[in-house]
Amino acid sequence: ETGVTQSPTHLIKTRGQQVTLRCSSQSGHNTVSWYQQALGQGPQFIFQYYREEENGRGNFPPRFSGLQFPNYSSELNVNALELDDSALYLCASSLGPSRQDTEAFFGQGTRLTVV
Amino acid sequence: AQRVTQPEKLLSVFKGAPVELKCNYSYSGSPELFWYVQYSRQRLQLLLRHISRESIKGFTADLNKGETSFHLKKPFAQEEDSAMYYCALSKSGYSTLTFGKGTMLLVSP
Repeated sequence: ETGVTQSPTHLIKTRGQQVTLRCSSQSGHNTVSWYQQALGQGPQFIFQYYREEENGRGNFPPRFSGLQFPNYSSELNVNALELDDSALYLCASSLGPSRQDTEAFFGQGTRLTVV
Repeated sequence: AQRVTQPEKLLSVFKGAPVELKCNYSYSGSPELFWYVQYSRQRLQLLLRHISRESIKGFTADLNKGETSFHLKKPFAQEEDSAMYYCALSKSGYSTLTFGKGTMLLVSP
């Protein structure tokens, strides 16, 4: 059984640029959630994908978007990067979108720095 | 909107001392509460959830709906318990999590 993997581990982008972060879900999991963790804060929910459809969104602007592929891997795209987007981005996969399916398995995260 | 509050950023205790990490929540529905832990250089992982009523690594947590609390307790802290602890909540019908800001637990020898 493979765990949740995220790529890249770190990256540095310039304000105004666009970035794509990737996540491979754990084997057998069809639901992927993305979280943003700013320094000194807890993870904050961005959105969730279930069977290739967005299944809930947190309080993030539309320049944060995502995709889920048929193999249930996922991407997080952020356009027009701002300095405040600098954070650790976490991906979590679970067996399903319902609460009884909740044990969220987290990846190691991608550290994004916007300069 | 739901909210999770962890009032302590840092809790420092000696090995063998009792530990209580506080968590309070606000949510009008029926929440499910979790504790997640992050050890140094490791990924965030589930420690325990209130519906399972398990004791994991000696830690327990009881949901107190009257006080809207879900404090994490361990009678005798070990050095290997040193980590970042996050309390989290999921709403009725949803698996997405609302996290607190976390408490760093440091257990000294």
